[in-house]
Amino acid sequence: EAGVTQFPSHSVIEKGQTVTLRCDPISGHDNLYWYRRVMGKEIKFLLHFVKESKQDESGMPNNRFLAERTGGTYSTLKVQPAELEDSGVYFCASSQDQGESEQFFGPGTRLTVL
Amino acid sequence: GNSVTQMEGPVTLSEEAFLTINCTYTATGYPSLFWYVQYPGEGLQLLLKATKADDKGSNKGFEATYRKETTSFHLEKGSVQVSDSAVYFCALSPYNFNKFYFGSGTKLNVKP
Repeated sequence: EAGVTQFPSHSVIEKGQTVTLRCDPISGHDNLYWYRRVMGKEIKFLLHFVKESKQDESGMPNNRFLAERTGGTYSTLKVQPAELEDSGVYFCASSQDQGESEQFFGPGTRLTVL
Repeated sequence: GNSVTQMEGPVTLSEEAFLTINCTYTATGYPSLFWYVQYPGEGLQLLLKATKADDKGSNKGFEATYRKETTSFHLEKGSVQVSDSAVYFCALSPYNFNKFYFGSGTKLNVKP
């Protein structure tokens, strides 16, 4: 069974540009999460989807970030326009059920904003 | 609020040395506690967990005990191997595993 995949693995963009990150969860997992690790600091929660609905988006830093999960399968996270402080590693995770269900993480997308 | 503090790295050990990575937390209610590990080029993998006070999580020779009185969840291994070289993250989930709060990670380097 394939794990959580993320694309691209690394993105380098100029300040002010737009970037879209993609996450493909494990097949059949209704729950999808986005996290971010900035500058080697702690990994911070961004948001949680249950199928196509946003269950919790309390961690989204500002309105330059837009997450979607149309059809309840893969998800995209768009940053527009990107700022220097958006640089970091963006992780996606998925889980089958809510409650005591393990979250499986992807390898992350490293975003560098110059 | 909820937060996790873990010791800064990198930690460099020789093979077969004893490992301790300290982790303390603040939380509302009664969280579940976790250690995740990230090997180079891979995603985070759950290493072990404990869901209530005094529980001990263990896996692959690693152990951690949920200490409510000291709000700690220190990771230990009696004899590390080169293959244990990775970044280790302590985390808590205050409710239902739906939202995690992570520490900043501790990089472990094990030398042969």
